[in-house]
Amino acid sequence: SAVISQKPSRDICQRGTSLTIQCQVDSQVTMMFWYRQQPGQSLTLIATANQGSEATYESGFVIDKFPISRPNLTFSTLTVSNMSPEDSSIYLCSVQRTGKNEKLFFGSGTQLSVL
Amino acid sequence: DAKTTQPPSMDCAEGRAANLPCNHSTISGNEYVYWYRQIHSQGPQYIIHGLKNNETNEMASLIITEDRKSSTLILPHATLRDTAVYYCIVSGGTDSWGKFQFGAGTQVVVTP
Repeated sequence: SAVISQKPSRDICQRGTSLTIQCQVDSQVTMMFWYRQQPGQSLTLIATANQGSEATYESGFVIDKFPISRPNLTFSTLTVSNMSPEDSSIYLCSVQRTGKNEKLFFGSGTQLSVL
Repeated sequence: DAKTTQPPSMDCAEGRAANLPCNHSTISGNEYVYWYRQIHSQGPQYIIHGLKNNETNEMASLIITEDRKSSTLILPHATLRDTAVYYCIVSGGTDSWGKFQFGAGTQVVVTP
């Protein structure tokens, strides 16, 4: 298995500010992903965090709003920029250790509330 | 849109088997079926996955029909701690790198 640590676990932020969420894995992994879960909704993939290159974003998500870094094979950050109340969600980091068709492991998530 | 269809909710009595259905009629030959569950805003927890054959682990059994268009997750002896939202996900093939598309899932409530 993979142990994923996400920080912060929760935060309350003011509109117009930015928050950076960290995801640390206890071992090197091939793939890292960021998901969003809006209140009462299912999970939606934001982007794939690519090591050493720009993240790959899903439709509806852009780099200016959700910049992502992945400096190595165990760490990634997601920034939620210029926040509005609509950004209030749970943000989840997930990883896939090695090959294709392998299961995903998820972090415990970051509960973000924007006032 | 999600590639799977699940009933929105299901009740189950504690100690009984819970059978959770999932339809994935457009599944392609190299796509796997995955099951996860999410307990009240925690990160999703992996349960089981399979391609063609039935699978069993310490948590559950996965039964995939011969035409692979549907599957059933079986929790053999449901406990109160199994109350959660259960997600059936189809993923794999050329775009197989973890791009799991979550549907609405099934809210399972286990009652005493």
